[in-house]
Amino acid sequence: DQQVKQNSPSLSVQEGRISILNCDYTNSMFDYFLWYKKYPAEGPTFLISISSIKDKNEDGRFTVFLNKSAKHLSLHIVPSQPGDSAVYFCAASGVNTGGFKTIFGAGTRLFVKA
Amino acid sequence: DAGVTQSPTHLIKTRGQHVTLRCSPISGHKSVSWYQQVLGQGPQFIFQYYEKEERGRGNFPDRFSARQFPNYSSELNVNALLLGDSALYLCASSFASGGYNEQFFGPGTRLTVL
Repeated sequence: DQQVKQNSPSLSVQEGRISILNCDYTNSMFDYFLWYKKYPAEGPTFLISISSIKDKNEDGRFTVFLNKSAKHLSLHIVPSQPGDSAVYFCAASGVNTGGFKTIFGAGTRLFVKA
Repeated sequence: DAGVTQSPTHLIKTRGQHVTLRCSPISGHKSVSWYQQVLGQGPQFIFQYYEKEERGRGNFPDRFSARQFPNYSSELNVNALLLGDSALYLCASSFASGGYNEQFFGPGTRLTVL
């Protein structure tokens, strides 16, 4: 089952505008959430994270918002730049009876047009 | 400083064979996680090791096994290969038990099963 969902396979945004990438999760065991960016032929690189005790974390142009009651998080990129064009993965981490797990979504491909 | 390294970069096997994939974490990192990524999907969690002990396991059959050595490098073993095991296998390292910490990914090993 898909415990972490990124329902938009792709997103196209004009340079300078805001990019909003969304992610939903289903399992309450998750208490730490991360966003990774991936360029072709490279492994994912860490972007930003948020603990479940917070509802917002900001790092430069990147802000992650967490709505625990809705089991929803979003990544905002402002302003968007052409170099931001990549695949963005949402990931959720937590511990259950099976031990520790990190579950990734399927990814959203972001295109930033110059 | 060297990042996470994985070997080999590409591998072709036939059904029923066995494969061993290797990963060297970033110096000082004590945790290694393994992921399987098939085309169009996000990385799927296979194992996490910390201080040579398994800390988490994903929903993969017992044909998949792993271990971590005293120098924190790791091997992923897959027995009785199936066509569906064809994927990019990613290794990620972190200083502490991963998931609650930024993970650094290697470039992956592309496994093709014929």
